[in-house]
Amino acid sequence: GAGVSQTPSNKVTEKGKYVELRCDPISGHTALYWYRQSLGQGPEFLIYFQGTGAADDSGLPNDRFFAVRPEGSVSTLKIQRTERGDSAVYLCASSPMPGTGNEQFFGPGTRLTVL
Amino acid sequence: ILNVEQSPQSLHVQEGDSTNFTCSFPSSNFYALHWYRWETAKSPEALFVMTLNGDEKKKGRISATLNTKEGYSYLYIKGSQPEDSATYLCASYSGAGSYQLTFGKGTKLSVIP
Repeated sequence: GAGVSQTPSNKVTEKGKYVELRCDPISGHTALYWYRQSLGQGPEFLIYFQGTGAADDSGLPNDRFFAVRPEGSVSTLKIQRTERGDSAVYLCASSPMPGTGNEQFFGPGTRLTVL
Repeated sequence: ILNVEQSPQSLHVQEGDSTNFTCSFPSSNFYALHWYRWETAKSPEALFVMTLNGDEKKKGRISATLNTKEGYSYLYIKGSQPEDSATYLCASYSGAGSYQLTFGKGTKLSVIP
């Protein structure tokens, strides 16, 4: 079956602009996660959804970052007033249900470059 | 804050050589350790999810061990092949009720034909 997909695969924007990154999880997966990987670092947690609600948004760096999952499937990560430091690969993952022993299935990521 | 460390940061091996690398994590409040392989331009792929002290898991030529008391896991690759070239990431959970994975920086493996 189809895996996790993310669009766009690459996004180049200018400092100060608004961007939206989309994640389509595996059908039926209730848990959805966003991570970002900056150069030279491992992926860092941003936010986790259980169904439609954000169960843990402790990883969002500041209030310029916001994510939604209105129908419990597709999720959009929104970044306002982008800064050069936001440049990173943004990864989305999903799992059938939350759980420490459950594998998270990752998409290929969106590479965001802020000029 | 959970601190997950991986070593080495990168390594080059000849085709056919066996290799291993390390992931260390805090041993307190341990729940699970995940290993992922991430090839360039592809999605990170789960290799193993390990939960019990002394766990050993194997997938083809790749195997992993887990020591939760001392806080480390080893990943072994036997007879490395060029297609094994990738970044290998380990990740641990922060604790009860938290489903966020904390990743190490990864080990980048290059297998030279």
